[in-house]
Amino acid sequence: QKEVEQDPGPLSVPEGAIVSLNCTYSNSAFQYFMWYRQYSRKGPELLMYTYSSGNKEDGRFTAQVDKSSKYISLFIRDSQPSDSATYLCAPARSGGSNYKLTFGKGTLLTVNP
Amino acid sequence: DVKVTQSSRYLVKRTGEKVFLECVQDMDHENMFWYRQDPGLGLRLIYFSYDVKMKEKGDIPEGYSVSREKKERFSLILESASTNQTSMYLCASSHGGNGYTFGSGTRLTVV
Repeated sequence: QKEVEQDPGPLSVPEGAIVSLNCTYSNSAFQYFMWYRQYSRKGPELLMYTYSSGNKEDGRFTAQVDKSSKYISLFIRDSQPSDSATYLCAPARSGGSNYKLTFGKGTLLTVNP
Repeated sequence: DVKVTQSSRYLVKRTGEKVFLECVQDMDHENMFWYRQDPGLGLRLIYFSYDVKMKEKGDIPEGYSVSREKKERFSLILESASTNQTSMYLCASSHGGNGYTFGSGTRLTVV
């Protein structure tokens, strides 16, 4: 079983839709959960960062972690064409100085005007 | 903001050449990473470094080596480039558990 599974999509939605992006993971040692956004021909950029279970909201974006089911979600409200990108989930084992992220393969999202 | 700079956006090299990809970060991060990204395969870790002169193999180190002589610079070396090393190469740096900052990537084509 892979450590992190993410549906690659592609996912295509109309502007204004609510988008749900999801990952599952197998390693119960993961404590930190991040979402990265990657525009075409660019490097990934950190979008959301959460620790342990629960929700975190930042503007139109909400990150949700359910450690009991090993399930990570990113919700985008009122999606915009500028949200069109690949989204990668990335859990990490430790928040100490020596830590390494494990990336999902990414979900390609297109928001159509 | 932390900046991670990769020396080239696009490179074309011939099979058998020795290739150097350079990465520099400007915020005194102790951790640096090299990934390659291919369609359908996602990001795969090649090598990483937690300190100067220190390196550890990632998931796909074969055919690659790295050098970290200074804290801000992490170089990826393709000892003898092959066509299956055609890919997007991404460098990243981090401090503690604060997430990675990525460079813009180098798209390498080996012909």
